[in-house]
Amino acid sequence: SQQGEEDPQALSIQEGENATMNCSYKTSINNLQWYRQNSGRGLVHLILIRSNEREKHSGRLRVTLDTSKKSSSLLITASRAADTASYFCATDAGTYKYIFGTGTRLKVLA
Amino acid sequence: DADVTQTPRNRITKTGKRIMLECSQTKGHDRMYWYRQDPGLGLRLIYYSFDVKDINKGEISDGYSVSRQAQAKFSLSLESAIPNQTALYFCATSDGGARAEAFFGQGTRLTVV
Repeated sequence: SQQGEEDPQALSIQEGENATMNCSYKTSINNLQWYRQNSGRGLVHLILIRSNEREKHSGRLRVTLDTSKKSSSLLITASRAADTASYFCATDAGTYKYIFGTGTRLKVLA
Repeated sequence: DADVTQTPRNRITKTGKRIMLECSQTKGHDRMYWYRQDPGLGLRLIYYSFDVKDINKGEISDGYSVSRQAQAKFSLSLESAIPNQTALYFCATSDGGARAEAFFGQGTRLTVV
């Protein structure tokens, strides 16, 4: 399987804390994307990082990419209860064929 | 209205029945995808299509077939449904441009009994 893996599988934190989740993948990529899924609904795109980038920010999100280790991390700072969701990484080798990871379930406690 | 619409949203069907899941999009994207989601396994790619005449198998195409009726429509069929095809199915689209992001429908929850 080409599918990547994320860890932890589940994460529970207090509101205001930072949440970090990691993604490992298996093949060379053109870009890596992070998506969010609220309770069985459709996925929503959060941020994209290209293979020649090491770090990217968008609001409270910070993504890093280490292509030598085939890994990425997503940091959500100052988390809110509304951030409770599942988060998935997806890799794209430049062919627009998106391969998703197994996901991290984040619960932010108010 | 949603940009990517899936019908039905929920379906219960019996083992051995043929079922079709439909997806339509108003985004004008050429690329369309079908994924299934199972607990703990994330999303797995079933089929994808980069234009009306281009259909490609994904990671788990066995037991499934697709039809790209038009740029805006991409249907997934289960010819003879089996219980382990019980899952949440998602259609997605992409414009293949620099943004490279996928846009998802709201999903179809399929139960095979």
